[in-house]
Amino acid sequence: AQSVTQLGSHVSVSEGALVLLRCNYSSSVPPYLFWYVQYPNQGLQLLLKYTTGATLVKGINGFEAEFKKSETSFHLTKPSAHMSDAAEYFCAVSTVSGNTPLVFGKGTRLSVIA
Amino acid sequence: EAGVAQSPRYKIIEKRQSVAFWCNPISGHATLYWYQQILGQGPKLLIQFQNNGVVDDSQLPKDRFSAERLKGVDSTLKIQPAKLEDSAVYLCASSPDRNTEAFFGQGTRLTVV
Repeated sequence: AQSVTQLGSHVSVSEGALVLLRCNYSSSVPPYLFWYVQYPNQGLQLLLKYTTGATLVKGINGFEAEFKKSETSFHLTKPSAHMSDAAEYFCAVSTVSGNTPLVFGKGTRLSVIA
Repeated sequence: EAGVAQSPRYKIIEKRQSVAFWCNPISGHATLYWYQQILGQGPKLLIQFQNNGVVDDSQLPKDRFSAERLKGVDSTLKIQPAKLEDSAVYLCASSPDRNTEAFFGQGTRLTVV
């Protein structure tokens, strides 16, 4: 079975500072990995995904993530935080076979301080 | 391209009452999911449809929850009777197939009092 652990339920950064949100996964087969963002009272919006190929994945709004198989990690980063980045971020895992739906982590709430 | 539509956006009911949620997926998407998101947690899959067939409903509390997907398009999720612990946001999502990412609706926030 697949699972996701997001380290830190709440992360606070200053505007302009580096954003780092941590995600570790567990999967017995090659994973598909995703980061979603959720703004208040909204659904989830896909930021980026890793399926196969390049392990450094670039997404929307300046975010990127790197798949590290040896560390079973898929951490999300952004060089410079903006106030508009304040939201809830969810890491999710699926499998290459596509026979399993997305399994989500518990989420990390990002606060950006002016 | 229109996104996933859900209604209602908000619903307040008393415990032991029944409630139904509706979802219209993105046109042409074969896979449809219902997720339950309790406050402070990540979404948890309730049921997955492939066209109008159920692929996974292992986490659906079948004594009170039911779902159907009419003609492989729209879907309804019903709770009868509701309990206090059912208070959550119910998210519908769709994808072209099981190998791609899911696109989410805005959700229905259910409050059971």
